[in-house]
Amino acid sequence: SQQGEEDPQALSIQEGENATMNCSYKTSINNLQWYRQNSGRGLVHLILIRSNEREKHSGRLRVTLDTSKKSSSLLITASRAADTASYFCALISSGSARQLTFGSGTQLTVLP
Amino acid sequence: GAGVSQSPRYKVTKRGQDVTLRCDPISSHATLYWYQQALGQGPEFLTYFNYEAQPDKSGLPSDRFSAERPEGSISTLTIQRTEQRDSAMYRCASSPPYRDETQYFGPGTRLLVL
Repeated sequence: SQQGEEDPQALSIQEGENATMNCSYKTSINNLQWYRQNSGRGLVHLILIRSNEREKHSGRLRVTLDTSKKSSSLLITASRAADTASYFCALISSGSARQLTFGSGTQLTVLP
Repeated sequence: GAGVSQSPRYKVTKRGQDVTLRCDPISSHATLYWYQQALGQGPEFLTYFNYEAQPDKSGLPSDRFSAERPEGSISTLTIQRTEQRDSAMYRCASSPPYRDETQYFGPGTRLLVL
C-alpha cells in the first residue's frame, strides 16, 4: 500500500514557470522526502524535511510540511526542460525506522 | 564504489523459472533495501538489511521471494517459480550508518516474466 498521494498526477508547464506538487499522507511521520525519477534512470534523492520542520530550501527547490494537515508541497522555481521527470514523495512513518513509503508520483513535463 | 549498482539491468524469463537479482551497494553503507516498482507507480518496500541481519521482510509478497546479504555487502533477491505478476522494476538502495534516512538508489533491474 502507498501512504503518500501526490497531486496532481501530471503537470505540464512552460520553461521558466514554477511547478508545485503536493503530497498528502495518513500516518504520523518521522520525516518526508522527495525523490526524482528521470525516464530510464534511477531515483535521485532531492530533499528531506523532518517532522519538526516547516520549510526547507535547496537551490531551486522549496519544500513545506504541514503535519497538522498531513501534507507537503514541493515547489520548483524557474523550471527547466531538464526538470522533466516523475517526482515522488516518500515518508518514514513514526515507529518505522527504515521503511520508505512512496506515493504514486507526479509526472512533470517542462516544455521548452 | 561510486554508486549503487544492480545486475542484470534487464531480465526476461519464462513463467516458472527462478531468477536472482544482484545489488552492490555503496561501500561502507550498512543498510541495504529492496523495493519493487510497478509501471506508473512508486516503489514498494520489500525488505532491508543492516549489515547481514534482515530485521524486516514484511514487504516480501510471498514465500517465493527471498533475499540474502551473507557478508554484509552484496545482496541478492531471488524469486522462485516466477509468475507474470512478478514483472516489475526491482530497485536496490543503500544508506550510510550515520545518516540512514537518505537512501541512494541503484538503476534497477527490469524483470519481465513471459
